[in-house]
Amino acid sequence: AAGVIQSPRHLIKEKRETATLKCYPIPRHDTVYWYQQGPGQDPQFLISFYEKMQSDKGSIPDRFSAQQFSDYHSELNMSSLELGDSALYFCASSHGLAGGPATDTQYFGPGTRLTVL
Amino acid sequence: SQQGEEDPQALSIQEGENATMNCSYKTSINNLQWYRQNSGRGLVHLILIRSNEREKHSGRLRVTLDTSKKSSSLLITASRAADTASYFCATDLSRYSSASKIIFGSGTRLSIRP
Repeated sequence: AAGVIQSPRHLIKEKRETATLKCYPIPRHDTVYWYQQGPGQDPQFLISFYEKMQSDKGSIPDRFSAQQFSDYHSELNMSSLELGDSALYFCASSHGLAGGPATDTQYFGPGTRLTVL
Repeated sequence: SQQGEEDPQALSIQEGENATMNCSYKTSINNLQWYRQNSGRGLVHLILIRSNEREKHSGRLRVTLDTSKKSSSLLITASRAADTASYFCATDLSRYSSASKIIFGSGTRLSIRP
């Protein structure tokens, strides 16, 4: 079965550069979530989208932005990168219920490992 | 403050033994999910238990949920070396708030000794 696809899998950037992470949800999933997991930390929710609209916002820095496109894929844009942004970034997708965001299982992608030097 | 707290933080057992991990949470939930993560790798969904369920089984996994105590347990029976990983509980608050996210606990690091 198709899974959540994230690209790139690894990314190395310098401080103050920008990065764009991409997420392709499981087909027919309309809800996408982004999580950040620092070294030795538990995953922290960043932001989510349902039917191309932002549905919830967590601990996402103002330097980051995200959107969900008409084909339901999502991109996380990160600017003015800092050393502390080095982490694993996970995308998850789920199938939303009619009229609202998802309440069912979230399926996670393999993650993008971002290293900021 | 963190929604999910897991206990123990680390667990080391002999292969073949059973492993029990506990998770406590603070607010009402829609469902609770358990995930597994090998070191530096992706999160793998193991099992979801809804707030109106008390127990659920999947293979060697058994999950219980006690909403009155706001706690859940994950039991892995007949452990194998390949079960070595971190295990996270995650709570879904969707029904009780505008949130459409799940909140992860701090995880239990399980080591299986051969």
